[in-house]
Amino acid sequence: NAGVTQTPKFQVLKTGQSMTLQCAQDMNHEYMSWYRQDPGMGLRLIHYSVGAGITDQGEVPNGYNVSRSTTEDFPLRLLSAAPSQTSVYFCASSYSGTTMNTEAFFGQGTRLTVV
Amino acid sequence: AQTVTQSQPEMSVQEAETVTLSCTYDTSESNYYLFWYKQPPSRQMILVIRQEAYKQQNATENRFSVNFQKAAKSFSLKISDSQLGDTAMYFCAFMNTGGGADGLTFGKGTHLIIQP
Repeated sequence: NAGVTQTPKFQVLKTGQSMTLQCAQDMNHEYMSWYRQDPGMGLRLIHYSVGAGITDQGEVPNGYNVSRSTTEDFPLRLLSAAPSQTSVYFCASSYSGTTMNTEAFFGQGTRLTVV
Repeated sequence: AQTVTQSQPEMSVQEAETVTLSCTYDTSESNYYLFWYKQPPSRQMILVIRQEAYKQQNATENRFSVNFQKAAKSFSLKISDSQLGDTAMYFCAFMNTGGGADGLTFGKGTHLIIQP
């Protein structure tokens, strides 16, 4: 049972480059989300999705795009990386965003450095 | 919007001692959930304990228990008989259950160090 799989685990980008952080879950969860973790800031919600074809912005969406074409995958795109996007990124999934039927399962995180 | 405050950036206790991590939150909602997550050096986010706001009884999970004071908007985590493996970042988190799926709101975390 893989759970939530994030790739890559580490990445270094140059300013202005683009990249996609991949997130896949095999638990048939409806709800998926992306967070960033910065020192002293906790985790902050970037974007989320309540199902295939539906996405919405979280607290810190600027500079990031998402799409949800399948239930399993929820990629996060950085179109033009900036040093301010240096962070650790977490993908999470759960059956629903507003019920306690299940906990949120987190991927192992991606450490991104933009130079 | 809700906020979560953890006022202790770092705590250090001796092994086998009991330690309490504090968390306060602010919300206008009446239905919500509260969580404590543990993040060891491996970076993995691990759910420690959760509490439904409508339940008056405090949640417990083995050595972990919470003191949930809804009127005071306080949600502290008590770790009994602390172990070296409890060394980690601990995050308090809030989830609104009404009005849409807007994810978890986290506090800034408390770095807990268990000394041998």
